[in-house]
Amino acid sequence: DIVMTQSPDSLAVSLGERATINCKSSQSVLYSSNNKYHLAWYQQKPGQPPKLIIYWASTRESGVPDRFSGSGSGTDFTLTISNLQAEDVAVYYCQQYDSSSIFPFGPGTKVNIK
Amino acid sequence: QLQLQESGPGLVKPSETLSLTCTVSGGSITSSAYYWDWIRQPPGKGLEWIGSIYYSGNTYYTPSLLSRVTISVDTSKSQFSLELSSVTAADTAVYYCARHHSQYNAFDIWGQGTMVTVS
Repeated sequence: DIVMTQSPDSLAVSLGERATINCKSSQSVLYSSNNKYHLAWYQQKPGQPPKLIIYWASTRESGVPDRFSGSGSGTDFTLTISNLQAEDVAVYYCQQYDSSSIFPFGPGTKVNIK
Repeated sequence: QLQLQESGPGLVKPSETLSLTCTVSGGSITSSAYYWDWIRQPPGKGLEWIGSIYYSGNTYYTPSLLSRVTISVDTSKSQFSLELSSVTAADTAVYYCARHHSQYNAFDIWGQGTMVTVS
């Protein structure tokens, strides 16, 4: 089974500073059919469903502010929130697509304001 | 704009079958680009993908629930459904329906979720 891990479990960042969240998969997420990394990031605020913010490891979903960026390759990926805003307080999840057509999620990282 | 809405009982007895329906509005459930999914989240915990269905009826399930889960689609009603049998307290969760694009395999539209308690 694919295992997704995230670090840290939680972090507190000052307004305007940078938050960095790491995601690691036990298997490569490179999908040979289109040579893309099928790794997505979601933001979930309390009482709301998750919201897609990044797919293909680094492509921002339409309407997502450009302070959110994704990077990485192979099995290691990063979500960076530059210039953290109060509305960015949330839990962030990474999610992989596996060639067996399953979708494991990471355990989540909680971002708070310092 | 496409919207998803879950419906079904909020309380299910242990050993019985949990049944939920997701209604698709503002768009077509038969779009060739998309699959339709169920995802759950136990209280205070993370997300677990349950399974997917294509409008043609092809299904994919997470291995850990394979023996208990069935997802079906009714294109005439623009609905897809989840059945989870032999439920226990561990199945208590918010259940979300969602959509994923076949090209980037990420969930771009979600329902608001429905809480199901097994007790």
